[in-house]
Amino acid sequence: EVQLVESGGGLVQPGGSLRLSCAASGFTFSSYEINWVRQAPGRGLEWVSYISRSGTTVYYAESVKGRFTLSRDNARNSLSLQMNSLRVEDTAVYYCARVLGSSTWYPFDHWGQGTLVTVSS
Amino acid sequence: SSELTQDPAVSVALGQTVRITCQGDSLRRYFASWYQQRPGQAPVLVIHGKNNRPSGIPDRFSGSSSGNTASLTIAGAQAEDEADYYCTSRDTSGLHLVFGGGTKLTVL
Repeated sequence: EVQLVESGGGLVQPGGSLRLSCAASGFTFSSYEINWVRQAPGRGLEWVSYISRSGTTVYYAESVKGRFTLSRDNARNSLSLQMNSLRVEDTAVYYCARVLGSSTWYPFDHWGQGTLVTVSS
Repeated sequence: SSELTQDPAVSVALGQTVRITCQGDSLRRYFASWYQQRPGQAPVLVIHGKNNRPSGIPDRFSGSSSGNTASLTIAGAQAEDEADYYCTSRDTSGLHLVFGGGTKLTVL
């Protein structure tokens, strides 16, 4: 069974940092592109970042560019999203989502359950 | 603001057909994919590409596209279809992904 499990969310003050992880199982992790998508409370979905199979290509939404860094460790079947200079507007549930195997960048055929990041003083 | 525009809310009578639309210039070049999100749950892919349903998605869900508009049609809506629906595609630059603002579907 394909599983994506996010962790690392929590409460952080504005300007602070947080590192989210996504642990994958049930599939050949290195063969799939992965994205992060977030959802602020009561709001819609927002794409955050994309990483290629090898990890050599990464894209970011303009809202997080220069503050967030996405990386992957194919040997450990895991992703890390390092979030710095956090803002109140970064408050959201963060999902990691797998790209359908035959596709590039999207669509997302499996999602994790999400981890909540709250940025507040 | 989103480069993909969806109606915020749509309603349909039980068993009737409903179309949810997504408009944006990037849809002239890129396919949309559609996600269903029930309250408190992660999104689920329901349609992708030209009109492809992942395994386990009922065949009452279908997709189409014309010009700058992509559509998700539910033929014979069921109570369990009540959810938020989001479209996504690349943006006009091709360098980012964007989601539509979402459509809340109510089944009456």
